[in-house]
Amino acid sequence: AQTVTQSQPEMSVQEAETVTLSCTYDTSESNYYLFWYKQPPSRQMILVIRQEAYKQQNATENRFSVNFQKAAKSFSLKISDSQLGDTAMYFCAFLSHTSGTYKYIFGTGTRLKVLA
Amino acid sequence: EPEVTQTPSHQVTQMGQEVILRCVPISNHLYFYWYRQILGQKVEFLVSFYNNEISEKSEIFDDQFSVERPDGSNFTLKIRSTKLEDSAMYFCASSDQGVQPQHFGDGTRLSIL
Repeated sequence: AQTVTQSQPEMSVQEAETVTLSCTYDTSESNYYLFWYKQPPSRQMILVIRQEAYKQQNATENRFSVNFQKAAKSFSLKISDSQLGDTAMYFCAFLSHTSGTYKYIFGTGTRLKVLA
Repeated sequence: EPEVTQTPSHQVTQMGQEVILRCVPISNHLYFYWYRQILGQKVEFLVSFYNNEISEKSEIFDDQFSVERPDGSNFTLKIRSTKLEDSAMYFCASSDQGVQPQHFGDGTRLSIL
């Protein structure tokens, strides 16, 4: 069974600084997808970034980028130039798609607070 | 941008009663999901639905739960004989293909008294 681990329950960063949120996972699948979702206090889950396991190049989306280490099963999120609006809970998610069915397996989340 | 919408935003129900949580997925999406998040815990998969049938369900999704797509737009989660431990935030999600990102609604906070 797949598992996703986020070892940092809470983090804080000064506005305009860079922060990295860690995520590790375990799977026997060779082809899969990884995501980071953001859940602000408004509670909606918002997609931040996506990585296909077969792609060696790390995904980037504006100020957000990932460091995907497939052999180490690590998928960290880097937020550059942090903004107050980045304050949220961040969830790492593994998309399991065995036997033609699809579901997310989420980590426990990292609560990020951006300080003014 | 199209959104997944969920109603109600907050539902308070007496233990033992039945509740129906409603979701309107994005119109051209084909895959539908329900997830649950107990306060302070991680988001857990409940069920996935495709081609008018359940494609996978978790251990949480027992006989107390059912899903339905009664028309071309709604996707509902029914919880029969609710228990205190059913109190949670319930998220609906949809995707146009299985491997594409899932789009989430704002959630329904279910409180069982």
